[in-house]
Amino acid sequence: QVQLVQSGPELKTPGASVKLSCKTSGFSFIDYHIAWVRQAPGQGLEYMGWISPYNGNTNYAPNLQGRVSLTTDTSTSTAYMELKSLTSDDTAIYYCTRWVTGMNYYFDYWAQGTLVVVSS
Amino acid sequence: SADLTQDPVVSVALGQTARITCQGASLRSYYASWYQQKPGQAPVLVLYGRNTRPSGIPDRFSGSRSGNTASLTITGSQAEDEADYYCQCRDSTGNHLAFGTGTKVTVL
Repeated sequence: QVQLVQSGPELKTPGASVKLSCKTSGFSFIDYHIAWVRQAPGQGLEYMGWISPYNGNTNYAPNLQGRVSLTTDTSTSTAYMELKSLTSDDTAIYYCTRWVTGMNYYFDYWAQGTLVVVSS
Repeated sequence: SADLTQDPVVSVALGQTARITCQGASLRSYYASWYQQKPGQAPVLVLYGRNTRPSGIPDRFSGSRSGNTASLTITGSQAEDEADYYCQCRDSTGNHLAFGTGTKVTVL
């Protein structure tokens, strides 16, 4: 069965960076894009970006461009999200999700989420 | 302003029909997908494309589109449908993805 499993919670100080992992299984990793979505406490879902494990192509949300970096390791079917220059506004639950493209576009499987807290 | 806007709250009586709307320019060109999120849980895909439900999603969930507005309809709302719902599509530029502002559905 399709599974996406993220790394554990993180506590970071302002100005630091965080790198989260998303290990996938149950499907051909290079055949799907992986996207990252975050949700601040009590707020809505925010698109961060996607990556194609097939060719490394990426797309980043305009408000995060320059601070976020998405990578993959096809040997372990794992995706990574690194966010730099953290501020308290980056405190959120971060989700990785499988993005299906083609005739329709949608996120069909989601990981459990990782809580990142940025605090001094 | 948000690229995809939703009404913050929709209230529906048990067994009645709830309609959740999502407005945005990109919806004229692309179909929205819809996600249900319950407290403390990851979002779950409930609808995508013209009107396609993933396996396991009840047929009381349906979708439609008219102009710049996409709609998710819950016909015969159940207590377990109480949740936050988000639409998703491309942003107004078409170059990035975006989520709607979210709708909290309360089943009375």
